[in-house]
Amino acid sequence: EEQLVESGGGLVQPGGSLRLSCGASGFTFNDYEMNWVRQAPGKGLEWLSYISGSGSAIYNTDSVKGRFTMSRDNAKNSVYLQMNDLRAEDTAVYYCARENTGRYNAFDVWGQGTMVTVSS
Amino acid sequence: SYEMTQPLSVSVALGQTARITCGGNNIGSKSVHWYQQKAGQAPVMVIYRDTNRPSGIPERFSGSNSGNTATLTISRAQAGDEADYYCQVWDTNKVFGGGTKLTVL
Repeated sequence: EEQLVESGGGLVQPGGSLRLSCGASGFTFNDYEMNWVRQAPGKGLEWLSYISGSGSAIYNTDSVKGRFTMSRDNAKNSVYLQMNDLRAEDTAVYYCARENTGRYNAFDVWGQGTMVTVSS
Repeated sequence: SYEMTQPLSVSVALGQTARITCGGNNIGSKSVHWYQQKAGQAPVMVIYRDTNRPSGIPERFSGSNSGNTATLTISRAQAGDEADYYCQVWDTNKVFGGGTKLTVL
């Protein structure tokens, strides 16, 4: 079964840092591009960051540029999201999602999400 | 950046057809994907590239895309179809619509 499992969420103070992890299983990980998507409480989905299969290309949405950094370790079948200078508005459930170029870059596998709460 | 507009809510009687729209400038020139998100769960892809249904998604789900509107159609709506539905495209970045809450009456 193709699966993604996020971890690393929790409560952090404003200005603090957190590193999210997403482990993959059931597919050839380095064949796929990966993304992070978040969802604030009661709100819609927001795309955050993309990384190519090799890790050589990374793109971020403007609201997290300079604060969030996506990376991957293909030997560990994992992607990461390093989040610095966290703000209250970063409070959300964070999902990793597999991007399938064979399906026109749709997000065809999603993790269950990990909750990040930024509060003092 | 590219923006897409979805109705906040759509209601449908049990067994009838629901249509959820996603409006955007010349969206017909883009590949539109649709995701279903049930309460407390992660999103699930139900339609990719406008009209394609992944394995495991019922044939009751279909999609279309032309001009300035993409549409997700759910035929013979069931109580289990109650969820939030999001459209998504790839412009300069990946963009989601605001989401539509489907209620089955």
